[in-house]
Amino acid sequence: DTGVSQDPRHKITKRGQNVTFRCDPISEHNRLYWYRQTLGQGPEFLTYFQNEAQLEKSRLLSDRFSAERPKGSFSTLEIQRTEQGDSAMYLCASSLSGLNEQFFGPGTRLTVL
Amino acid sequence: ILNVEQSPQSLHVQEGDSTNFTCSFPSSNFYALHWYRWETAKSPEALFVMTLNGDEKKKGRISATLNTKEGYSYLYIKGSQPEDSATYLCAFRHGGYQLIWGAGTKLIIKP
Repeated sequence: DTGVSQDPRHKITKRGQNVTFRCDPISEHNRLYWYRQTLGQGPEFLTYFQNEAQLEKSRLLSDRFSAERPKGSFSTLEIQRTEQGDSAMYLCASSLSGLNEQFFGPGTRLTVL
Repeated sequence: ILNVEQSPQSLHVQEGDSTNFTCSFPSSNFYALHWYRWETAKSPEALFVMTLNGDEKKKGRISATLNTKEGYSYLYIKGSQPEDSATYLCAFRHGGYQLIWGAGTKLIIKP
């Protein structure tokens, strides 16, 4: 499989619980992006990695959100103490360089009850 | 605040007809403009990355133009087919790492 994969595809959790999502980018891509998308809106940028370095982080990313890419390959996005407003589709993308097209995974749909 | 606007929000087109829609973005600090197609239950798929004013790109029946001085891009679909039904998103890059996305144009092709 040469595409971007994300796990899980769906997550239902209760308010206050922690959740973690995983993204496996295309193997030769050194850039990895996380986005959040809510109904009727385009994706919103959350954060960006070049190899293992987190180079940019949106103001949307509160202290409850953290992302890592420890070995410059897969990445995890953790949300602590989830709130109902966190319910959204979380998309991961990777690219070969900053100018190239980004290849997206299928997303993880989070529902916080 | 940087804003990317897409119009129309949704569009119903008869199969076989051609159509086009618009993406408006800030005209200053332009770096690149991306177009994506997003079908329901699938991942967004890249169509074009455009960087030069006056650029025109084509992929089969789909083409796009770019005007960075006035801050707009048009996406054209010639001879619409049912498989063209999707949401078409544009995203603007101004030199930072992030893409700023429009809300998309939802295209529905009527057989």
